[in-house]
Amino acid sequence: QVQLQESGPGLVKPSETLSLTCTVSGGSISTYYWHWVRQAPGKGLEWIGYVYYTGGTNYNPSLKSRVTVSLATSKNQFSLKLTSVTTADTAVYYCARSDTDMVWAFDIWGQGTMVNVSS
Amino acid sequence: QSVLTQPPSASGTPGERVTISCSGRTSNIGNNYVYWYQLLPGAAPKLLIYRNNQRPSGVPDRFSGSKSGTSGSLAISGLRSEDEGDYYCAALEDSLTAYVFGSGTKVTVL
Repeated sequence: QVQLQESGPGLVKPSETLSLTCTVSGGSISTYYWHWVRQAPGKGLEWIGYVYYTGGTNYNPSLKSRVTVSLATSKNQFSLKLTSVTTADTAVYYCARSDTDMVWAFDIWGQGTMVNVSS
Repeated sequence: QSVLTQPPSASGTPGERVTISCSGRTSNIGNNYVYWYQLLPGAAPKLLIYRNNQRPSGVPDRFSGSKSGTSGSLAISGLRSEDEGDYYCAALEDSLTAYVFGSGTKVTVL
């Protein structure tokens, strides 16, 4: 059974870069889309972007200038980098998977990791 | 402000049927599939419905989805206490080429 687990610092200072990793266990990172989604406190879900197993990416236009999602295939991991963070980036960050023929059906999710942006 | 509009709350007693609406536009729900996710306290989000009305394996048939024009809906029949949580619709937004979520609906079992 495939499982996803987010990891990374729980506290990031304003203007710095938020870096998170999602480790895929129980299956291969190949032939799927790998997404990041976040939920700010008291707010709804927001899709951040995805990386395809070939390395192709697609980002939410509202975050595109600050986001990079990339693969570390040999480690069966993918990562999120968000630059120049502000307090508005404080959120629970989830990683998720979707299949090649159902790009927008996120069928497996991680438990989420809380990231606070604060000095 | 979410592109897709949901009622902030819905409630029912055990065994009842609850319906959650998701209102959008031609550029999102009108032209694309609707998806539904369940967020329960302390649990990873779960895909409930994909492609308007399809259930992933393992999702009980108490959950059903539909779409009409620029709106989607999720129905929960035979409401149970373990259904209490937040429910989000989602769709691809053509004008942004981005996946957008609804504002979320909190379901309470009375």
